[in-house]
Amino acid sequence: NAGVMQNPRHLVRRRGQEARLRCSPMKGHSHVYWYRQLPEEGLKFMVYLQKENIIDESGMPKERFSAEFPKEGPSILRIQQVVRGDSAAYFCASSPSVGLAGSPDNEQFFGPGTRLTVL
Amino acid sequence: AQSVTQLDSHVSVSEGTPVLLRCNYSSSYSPSLFWYVQHPNKGLQLLLKYTSAATLVKGINGFEAEFKKSETSFHLTKPSAHMSDAAEYFCVFGGFKTIFGAGTRLFVKA
Repeated sequence: NAGVMQNPRHLVRRRGQEARLRCSPMKGHSHVYWYRQLPEEGLKFMVYLQKENIIDESGMPKERFSAEFPKEGPSILRIQQVVRGDSAAYFCASSPSVGLAGSPDNEQFFGPGTRLTVL
Repeated sequence: AQSVTQLDSHVSVSEGTPVLLRCNYSSSYSPSLFWYVQHPNKGLQLLLKYTSAATLVKGINGFEAEFKKSETSFHLTKPSAHMSDAAEYFCVFGGFKTIFGAGTRLFVKA
C-alpha cells in the first residue's frame, strides 16, 4: 500500500516562473491537505480539499496560489509568478474518507514533501 | 480559538536518559491531539494520537504521552533516548483546521 506521494521532491524555479506541485493521496483517501514549512519553522496549514471541492483555503495566500483536487489524478498546488519568499517545503497529507469530513479523529498521512527553491 | 504551544524550541539529552517534550493546548472543546516526528529532509510520521479514549497514549518507538485536561497539556515522553530519536517533533491540534506547534528539535548526545 503506497503512501502519500509527492512530486517532484525538489523543484527549482526562477523568480516569475510557475511552480506546480503534485500530490497523490493514499489509496482510498479522498481528503487532501497542503502545508507549507518555511526554514526553521513549523508547518502552516494552507488548504483542505476533497475531490473537486475546496473545503477550506483560509491558509492560502490571496494571490498567486491555487489548489485543485480533480476527480481523476493528483491534487495540484500551483504557485504563479514565484518569488524568493515562496522557497519552502510543501507537504501534502491525506486522510480517509470514512467518518465526518474533517473529523478530528482522522489521522493525516504525510508525503515526503516538495522542496521549492526560488532563485 | 484553538491553539497549541510547544514550550521548548530545542531539547538536548544524553543517550539513555529520559526525554520530555512539552506541549500545551487551548481549546473550547475536547481536542484531538497528535505528536508527529520529522527526521531531516523527510516527511512527517505519526508517533501517537489522543482522541478522548485513554489519557495515557502509547506510540511507536517507545514514546508515550499523557493528556492532562486540568493542565491543558499533552507532553511527550520516552524513558530512554536513542541516537535515532534526534529529530523535530510537532505537537498537533486535530480538527477541521489542523494546527501545528512550532516544533521542538531534539538533540541526543552520545
